Amino acid sequence: AQKVTQAQTEISVVEKEDVTLDCVYETRDTTYYLFWYKQPPSGELVFLIRRNSFDEQNEISGRYSWNFQKSTSSFNFTITASQVVDSAVYFCALISHSGYSTLTFGKGTMLLVSP
Amino acid sequence: EAGVVQSPRYKIIEKKQPVAFWCNPISGHNTLYWYRQNLGQGPELLIRYENEEAVDDSQLPKDRFSAERLKGVDSTLKIQPAELGDSAVYLCASSLAGGGADTQYFGPGTRLTVL
Repeated sequence: AQKVTQAQTEISVVEKEDVTLDCVYETRDTTYYLFWYKQPPSGELVFLIRRNSFDEQNEISGRYSWNFQKSTSSFNFTITASQVVDSAVYFCALISHSGYSTLTFGKGTMLLVSP
Repeated sequence: EAGVVQSPRYKIIEKKQPVAFWCNPISGHNTLYWYRQNLGQGPELLIRYENEEAVDDSQLPKDRFSAERLKGVDSTLKIQPAELGDSAVYLCASSLAGGGADTQYFGPGTRLTVL
């Protein structure tokens, strides 16, 4: 069975602060993929990043960075110098390589960035 | 390139009425998914299509929900009759192929309110 836990329900920060969103996952599979999606108030889920289980390199994309650690089963997401436009619900998700697997989402973390 | 298209964006109906949602996936994507997202939760898979074939409908409440994907492109999800508990956002997603290797891209969703 797969499980994704996002323990932070809601985070509030002031613009320009750095913020880290936590994601802890559980799976018995050795080959799997992890994702982060952003859901702004408009409702559409926007794909941000995908990592496979064999690639533990951290990744940086502009103000976004991701820290994947298999030893702690975590895939955390950091936004540097947050902006009001970053306000959204962020979902972490997991799927195994098996064709029978489904994409399992966490409950999401709502990020509120105030001016 | 056009993303996943869904219509309508919003739908309000009375309980016991039928309702249908339409989805057009990204061009060339063979796999299509329907998800339901309840308030404050992550999306949960209802059904997955590989071309015209429904390969995973284990979470689809078959007594009132039905889906089709004729010609392996567009898809329609129907609820008949709707119940109060069906109020949710219905998301359509598509990917090049099934399994975990391909990223799922989501449409804007249909927000259903059942009164």
